[in-house]
Amino acid sequence: GENVEQHPSTLSVQEGDSAVIKCTYSDSASNYFPWYKQELGKRPQLIIDIRSNVGEKKDQRIAVTLNKTAKHFSLHITETQPEDSAVYFCAASRADTGNQFYFGTGTSLTVIP
Amino acid sequence: ETGVTQSPTHLIKTRGQQVTLRCSSQSGHNTVSWYQQALGQGPQFIFQYYREEENGRGNFPPRFSGLQFPNYSSELNVNALELDDSALYLCASSQQGGYYGYTFGSGTRLTVV
Repeated sequence: GENVEQHPSTLSVQEGDSAVIKCTYSDSASNYFPWYKQELGKRPQLIIDIRSNVGEKKDQRIAVTLNKTAKHFSLHITETQPEDSAVYFCAASRADTGNQFYFGTGTSLTVIP
Repeated sequence: ETGVTQSPTHLIKTRGQQVTLRCSSQSGHNTVSWYQQALGQGPQFIFQYYREEENGRGNFPPRFSGLQFPNYSSELNVNALELDDSALYLCASSQQGGYYGYTFGSGTRLTVV
């Protein structure tokens, strides 16, 4: 089955700096890669996603890049704000097996004011 | 448009007991997945239902079972509870077998003592 690894497990940045979280996956057939933000005690919320037919996607301060050859994808947050502090999860799935998500172990991001 | 709702929000059970968790999918969604999230970990896929049929299962024993009803709501049943079953159980719903990504509920926090 799919194996998703995520790094780093914790990340602290100064407000206004950029944050980068990296994930690798093992199944070359995976073709959908969402990122979820989970605040303490709350549900995971989709923040951005990318499909295997594109290499980069951006939404305001958030961007995701995908390297299919290397089987890794990254989340980039620019101009970080204290409200960006949360746990971020990457996931991988493939449409031909029902899009079950395989999640990484999470990155706890702290933005220091 | 209603979101994904789960009940109960918290539950305490004794080892060996059985538990049923419930999930109402978002309006228009015909696919429901269940995930187990242990403390400090990423969600782990349990199983998925699409139009009332199970169409994928993760690495969980048979004592984890489920149902999806004609209105696309779903139940997760766990028999012979073990201490390691203590976790946050997340339900996620989607259209079209998950192709458009999933919306998560807030989860049920199960504690087994």
